[in-house]
Amino acid sequence: EAQVTQNPRYLITVTGKKLTVTCSQNMNHEYMSWYRQDPGLGLRQIYYSMNVEVTDKGDVPEGYKVSRKEKRNFPLILESPSPNQTSLYFCASSFQGGKAYEQYFGPGTRLTVT
Amino acid sequence: DQQVKQNSPSLSVQEGRISILNCDYTNSMFDYFLWYKKYPAEGPTFLISISSIKDKNEDGRFTVFLNKSAKHLSLHIVPSQPGDSAVYFCAASDNQKLVFGQGTRLTINP
Repeated sequence: EAQVTQNPRYLITVTGKKLTVTCSQNMNHEYMSWYRQDPGLGLRQIYYSMNVEVTDKGDVPEGYKVSRKEKRNFPLILESPSPNQTSLYFCASSFQGGKAYEQYFGPGTRLTVT
Repeated sequence: DQQVKQNSPSLSVQEGRISILNCDYTNSMFDYFLWYKKYPAEGPTFLISISSIKDKNEDGRFTVFLNKSAKHLSLHIVPSQPGDSAVYFCAASDNQKLVFGQGTRLTINP
């Protein structure tokens, strides 16, 4: 089954404790991206990657890191989480030849930072 | 600076009637526009899209209209069904990035 998987689905952590949210897709997509969803703000792009070893900042990259060492995986790293990073996070991938067109989304990761 | 705006946070429509969701954008470099549907506890799912060289795209009950001069996008759902109740996001792409609106919660009443 074609899908984007994220782990964990739910995470409660404390300020400053490094964490990684994994994202994997099995569709051989070149383009991958991370978003956060907050009430009244919609989905905002954090980072994106148009191919392996190619990453770039989205609209809200502060406090986040990513890496794209292989095509299927695109982990999101929070080196020192803060309460304002409490949010619902989505990973997505696109089949449009590396372009940001129709994207498949994962089920989401709800992160709470206390 | 919100480049894509959905000014109606919510919309309530009677079953069988037409639902019209609106979206405005500011960046004339956007070349592709999309609508996504999102149910609670799930990721958004792609619904329909339109290229900037077209003004209308239809897929079953769903039609997207693009007015480039007004920088306005709309989604028409006819007839509306209870399963259409969800949050709808419009999005615009400049090839590298996808920019989303705030979302409109659509409720279909029986």
